[in-house]
Parts: sequence; structure tokens; C-alpha cells
Amino acid sequence: GAVVSQHPSRVICKSGTSVKIECRSLDFQATTMFWYRQFPKQSLMLMATSNEGSKATYEQGVEKDKFLINHASLTLSTLTVTSAHPEDSSFYICSANQGAWGTDTQYFGPGTRLTVL
Amino acid sequence: GENVEQHPSTLSVQEGDSAVIKCTYSDSASNYFPWYKQELGKRPQLIIDIRSNVGEKKDQRIAVTLNKTAKHFSLHITETQPEDSAVYFCAAKGEGLTGGGNKLTFGTGTQLKVEL
Repeated sequence: GAVVSQHPSRVICKSGTSVKIECRSLDFQATTMFWYRQFPKQSLMLMATSNEGSKATYEQGVEKDKFLINHASLTLSTLTVTSAHPEDSSFYICSANQGAWGTDTQYFGPGTRLTVL
Repeated sequence: GENVEQHPSTLSVQEGDSAVIKCTYSDSASNYFPWYKQELGKRPQLIIDIRSNVGEKKDQRIAVTLNKTAKHFSLHITETQPEDSAVYFCAAKGEGLTGGGNKLTFGTGTQLKVEL
């Protein structure tokens, strides 16, 4: 149980285009999902916390208009990188909490490698 | 906010030896401490976790200890095997009344290499 999927696994796009990444909890309902960014050989940096049915909470320094997050259902959250530029190239990973608030464990998706040319 | 420090950044051991990775945290209200293993290009996988009401937890070759007074916790891997080679991340979660209270703060990672 507790499987999280992400799509696509890899995307290459031209500068100025927008890219949407989907994060799904396959066998449980996730009231909270998290979006991380990871540069090569570095740690996971939390970008935002996504709560079903409400606006996402962004970490300091993360542009909410640049990284649009939608959590429309208990099993799906999306991250849209708008007007992508080469500096947005990174590994984006989502995670989900299983069950209601108070459940600690986060399960991670397989990640999406974004390359902006 | 929470700050988590992790040491060492790289660790090389001989197969069969033990490996220890240490983390410290700053927020005394933190109450949940997971450890993740990440292989190159893959997702982080939860390998063990501990809550603040417990001092030690063990699962086969892996154990975690927590010292709340000193605000540090450690991962212990015994009888290391080549397949243990990966990057290991510690993390800490504080309390909170909203979904944001569930967020994890990660350490900087330890590259473990188990040599034959």
C-alpha cells in the first residue's frame, strides 16, 4: 500500500513553455501533498504544501505565480511550472501523507526530471 | 523554523562493517524523525522512523536512536552490504494544527559507499 505515482517521469521543453506535473496517490486518500525540488547531489527542498480543496502554502522564496499548484481531489495534486527557463531544470518530487492530519509518514513519488532548453 | 544538520556528508565502509549517520535538529517541538534512502535518480524510500516518545527503534540491520535532550538522532546500519550504498537523508517534523504542520525538514544527506 501507500503508492504515489508521478507523471511524466521525464520532460524536455523549450524555454518559455509551461509544464504540468501530476502527483497521484494510488491506493489511499491524501489530504496533504508536498512538492519538493532536488538539485544534483543536494537535499530535498520543500517548495509548497498542497491541501485538498484549499490554496497551497508556499515556502519562502518560492514564487507562487511561477509554480502553480492545484489539489483538486484527495488523490491528485498538480504542479505547473509556468514560462519555464533553464534555471528551472531540476528533479521535482511529490510526496503524500496517508490518511487524515496527524499521520506522519510521507510517501514519495518517483520524481519528474525537467530539462528546459 | 526547523534546521536539521547531518554528518558525515560521505561515508565509506567495508562490507560487513557498521555505519553510523548522525543528525541534529533545532526545534524542540519536533516529534517525528524519519530516515530515507535514495538511490541515484530514484525516489526517497522510508527505511525507518522514530517518534519522540521512543528512544530507540530497530528493524533487522537498521536502528535509530533519539536523544531529545540533546536534540540529536542517529541511524545505525550493521553488517553493511553493497546494496546499502545510497544517499541517506534524515528529517524532522514539528507539531502544527494545519497541513503545514506535517512538513518535513531534511538534512543535507550522506553518501554511503559500501566497499567489497
